[in-house]
Amino acid sequence: EPEVTQTPSHQVTQMGQEVILRCVPISNHLYFYWYRQILGQKVEFLVSFYNNEISEKSEIFDDQFSVERPDGSNFTLKIRSTKLEDSAMYFCATSAPLNSNQPQHFGDGTRLSIL
Amino acid sequence: GENVEQHPSTLSVQEGDSAVIKCTYSDSASNYFPWYKQELGKRPQLIIDIRSNVGEKKDQRIAVTLNKTAKHFSLHITETQPEDSAVYFCAAPPSSGNTPLVFGKGTRLSVIA
Repeated sequence: EPEVTQTPSHQVTQMGQEVILRCVPISNHLYFYWYRQILGQKVEFLVSFYNNEISEKSEIFDDQFSVERPDGSNFTLKIRSTKLEDSAMYFCATSAPLNSNQPQHFGDGTRLSIL
Repeated sequence: GENVEQHPSTLSVQEGDSAVIKCTYSDSASNYFPWYKQELGKRPQLIIDIRSNVGEKKDQRIAVTLNKTAKHFSLHITETQPEDSAVYFCAAPPSSGNTPLVFGKGTRLSVIA
């Protein structure tokens, strides 16, 4: 069964540093999402991406965050200047290109630890 | 925007018993309701979903029911096994397109052997 692949699995970074989280979507999927999950809490939406542009973003997704698909394969989330409260699991999810809501398949996540 | 409430937050059942988890949503436009299972340290894994044109869907030991009038949907697990122990999340999108999911706070299910 095709899977969403995320790298790295764990990233430890000093506060104020930039991080880039990477996701390889399932090959025929065109809708991409980033979610985050603070330890022990629910999954929260960050941003959705379709047709090479952001389609929706949440309040969490402020100016420190950006997304892009630089090479037509990887879908990346960049946090420009990390804060302690950015520590969380970050999940990429993708879904197929049909008109109505399609199942979103999650990657294994990146555990981001800010020191 | 969409608001999803999930109950209970924790649930303990004896192996072989049934477990029921309930969710309510607020946005009448929502038409797709997935359930995810998340084991410790793992990704949310889609286990079943239902669309608004049906009231019930079953897949082996798991089933989901939907009441659009009351805006609630439920997950039913029968003949529970220890490997069913996990956190279960319901979710709903705020509209009918390919929109982001709004998740409930999760239910930690413990199946006691």
